[in-house]
Amino acid sequence: EDQVTQSPEALRLQEGESSSLNCSYTVSGLRGLFWYRQDPGKGPEFLFTLYSAGEEKEKERLKATLTKKESFLHITAPKPEDSATYLCAVRGAGGFKTIFGAGTRLFVKA
Amino acid sequence: SAVISQKPSRDICQRGTSLTIQCQVDSQVTMMFWYRQQPGQSLTLIATANQGSEATYESGFVIDKFPISRPNLTFSTLTVSNMSPEDSSIYLCSVEDNGGTEAFFGQGTRLTVV
Repeated sequence: EDQVTQSPEALRLQEGESSSLNCSYTVSGLRGLFWYRQDPGKGPEFLFTLYSAGEEKEKERLKATLTKKESFLHITAPKPEDSATYLCAVRGAGGFKTIFGAGTRLFVKA
Repeated sequence: SAVISQKPSRDICQRGTSLTIQCQVDSQVTMMFWYRQQPGQSLTLIATANQGSEATYESGFVIDKFPISRPNLTFSTLTVSNMSPEDSSIYLCSVEDNGGTEAFFGQGTRLTVV
């Protein structure tokens, strides 16, 4: 059964303190691993899609990497506006269903 | 990208009643997805809605409880029927780009059943 586990559940950082969020996954035939940002009271906002081990993508202070078992979302020199819940999701070869992790709540203090 | 308008944004409903949530997309899309996000938890897919055919429901979700309409390529509704407090949740609709590489979400409907 496809499964996604994110850690930590919550992360508190000082502004400028770089860190990484982890997404461990089990899926039959990975068709895509997705990262989203979700602000309170809003729907998820797409960040990245990764398809194969070794792939990396960057956007501003965020960089996503992928191995065969996990993905990392690296946040470099975060700012308070980066505070949000970050969701990881995978889609396997079985169809159109996307499996979401529980998310990591990131708090960045000025 | 796609812009999704979802209504209502929130509602408080009496148990035993039903609520219909509307999802309007600014472009034509083949598939629309309905998710539930319970407090403090992640998104769970309820069903996939294709225009012109019956929705496909995930395990644990049934058509009698969550009937879905998909009358055209830009609109869908999800009804939460005979509500109980356990249905209190955020309901989200979503569409994907043609390649399935990126998904777009509505703002969500925050439902509280009392």
